[in-house]
Formats: sequence, C-alpha cells, structure tokens
Amino acid sequence: AQTVTQSQPEMSVQEAETVTLSCTYDTSESDYYLFWYKQPPSRQMILVIRQEAYKQQNATENRFSVNFQKAAKSFSLKISDSQLGDAAMYFCAYRDPRGSQGNLIFGKGTKLSVKP
Amino acid sequence: EAQVTQNPRYLITVTGKKLTVTCSQNMNHEYMSWYRQDPGLGLRQIYYSMNVEVTDKGDVPEGYKVSRKEKRNFPLILESPSPNQTSLYFCASRRGASYNEQFFGPGTRLTVL
Repeated sequence: AQTVTQSQPEMSVQEAETVTLSCTYDTSESDYYLFWYKQPPSRQMILVIRQEAYKQQNATENRFSVNFQKAAKSFSLKISDSQLGDAAMYFCAYRDPRGSQGNLIFGKGTKLSVKP
Repeated sequence: EAQVTQNPRYLITVTGKKLTVTCSQNMNHEYMSWYRQDPGLGLRQIYYSMNVEVTDKGDVPEGYKVSRKEKRNFPLILESPSPNQTSLYFCASRRGASYNEQFFGPGTRLTVL
C-alpha cells in the first residue's frame, strides 16, 4: 500500500526567508500524481502545487516550488520569500491514477509558523 | 461561484443519535468523497463515489454510510454515532481525471459525547 511520510511535525521560518518542507512516499507504481495542500487556521484545504510523476521538470507556482526526486521517492516543497499568510498546516498527498479509488493519500502534515 | 458546501459546520451530539452531514457541489463533478481529519493522522478517506449510484468504501468506512442519488449531493450518514467519530470531516469533489484538482468543502466539526 502506498504511504506518505512527512517527517517534520513542525517547522518555523523567518518572514522573507526560504523554508523547505519534506515529504517522502512509498509506491511501486511508475505513474502517479503528487500534491501539496495548505490548511490555514480557517481549516479550508487549498491546493498549493501538483506534480505528475512522468514529468521531470519540477513544478513551480509563484513563490512555491517542489524538488521532485522520483528515484528517491521524495517530493519536498520550497516556499521562498515567506509571508505571514503562509503560516498553516501543509499536507503532502499522493494519488495513483490507476487505483480503483483515485484516492488522495495524505501525510500527517507539517505545521509551519512564520515569524515576523 | 464554484464551491463545495457542507452543513452543518459544527455539530455536537450524543452517542447513538443518528445524524446526516450534507455535501453539495455546483461544478458537475463526477467524483466525490468524504475524509476525516484527526490530529497526528492527516486526512483519511471514508467513502467515495465515482458517479451517481456508484459508491465504495475508503480506508475508514466503519460506522458510516453514504448515498449518491444526485450528482451534486453526497451526504454522510452516521446511523449510531460514537465518541471515536469525533473528528473534522471534509467533503471533496473533482472532475473525473486523477490529475484534476480536488475541491474541498469548508469542513464539519463533529463532537460526539
């Protein structure tokens, strides 16, 4: 069964600095999708960025980028120029497109604090 | 506005009293699902539906029921709630393809006493 591991329960970053959140996953599949979701105190789940496993190029969305290492099964999220509004819980998620569910499998989350 | 709505947002109930959490989406999405979020465990899927009248169990289905009579609605039913079902519940939907973004509802905070 696929699993997603986020080894950092909590992280802290100074405003305007860069922080990297770690995520590793376990799968025997070669084709899959990976996602990072943000959950601010409002509890709303917000998609930050996604990556298709067959694409070698790392996805970027403004200040958010990923370091996708397929062989290492690693999918870290880099937040540049951190802002106070980035403070949230961040979840890494995996989806196997051929699975009967197309289910999102989530990690346990990393709580990010941003210091002014 | 494209959205997933859930009601109620907050609910406190007692053990054994049947309840339903409604979920509705206005994006004509085929796929809908329910998750529960517990501290230290992330989100886990309860049930999902690939389309009308097609539902199946997720990873933690015990104690829950669902139905999909209309494409837009996917209610979550707790026939006899127990304290271990105290949790934060999310409904989500997406268009069929797996790469597509999954849209989440605002969450329902359920407490079972």
